[in-house]
Amino acid sequence: NAGVTQTPKFRVLKTGQSMTLLCAQDMNHEYMYWYRQDPGMGLRLIHYSVGEGTTAKGEVPDGYNVSRLKKQNFLLGLESAAPSQTSVYFCASSTGRGGAGEQYFGPGTRLTVT
Amino acid sequence: EDKVVQSPLSLVVHEGDTVTLNCSYEVTNFRSLLWYKQEKKAPTFLFMLTSSGIEKKSGRLSSILDKKELSSILNITATQTGDSAIYLCAVSPPQKGKLVFGAGTILRVKS
Repeated sequence: NAGVTQTPKFRVLKTGQSMTLLCAQDMNHEYMYWYRQDPGMGLRLIHYSVGEGTTAKGEVPDGYNVSRLKKQNFLLGLESAAPSQTSVYFCASSTGRGGAGEQYFGPGTRLTVT
Repeated sequence: EDKVVQSPLSLVVHEGDTVTLNCSYEVTNFRSLLWYKQEKKAPTFLFMLTSSGIEKKSGRLSSILDKKELSSILNITATQTGDSAIYLCAVSPPQKGKLVFGAGTILRVKS
């Protein structure tokens, strides 16, 4: 099993450009999450999904959109990138039993917006 | 607003020392508290503590949940350089499906 994978691993964008980050999991998990990590701020939840076709906002959703068309995939979109979105983005998944529970993380995507 | 605070923000110790990391939370009726270790890349799971399991131990690492004080500690005994990492604490609020993370403690173990 590959676990949780993220594509791409690195990306540099210019202000105003758009992009989509792809997260895939092969563990048949119900719940999936997108976080961003900035120095000294831990992990902040952007959006999450508790099942195929569902999405919900986290702590810092502005400037991002998500879709969960298939159970195994969770896409994070930036429509018009801003320098404030320079960060490391992590995707995670969990079974959902007992709440959020143990989450399994992908390797991360380092995004720089110039 | 749900809040998780970790202390210290960073510390440096020598191999063999014992360290205690702290996590306090302001989350009403939380489901569980989790500890993660993050080295170069993705966080990896260490422990999950719930109302039915307030102490966990694995090798040199152990964690205790104090529901009265709304806090948890992570102890690492006989530290090794491989313990150098960011340690993250997270709490699961009553709303299903979410975790709220603290800012983390950066631990550096010198040889």
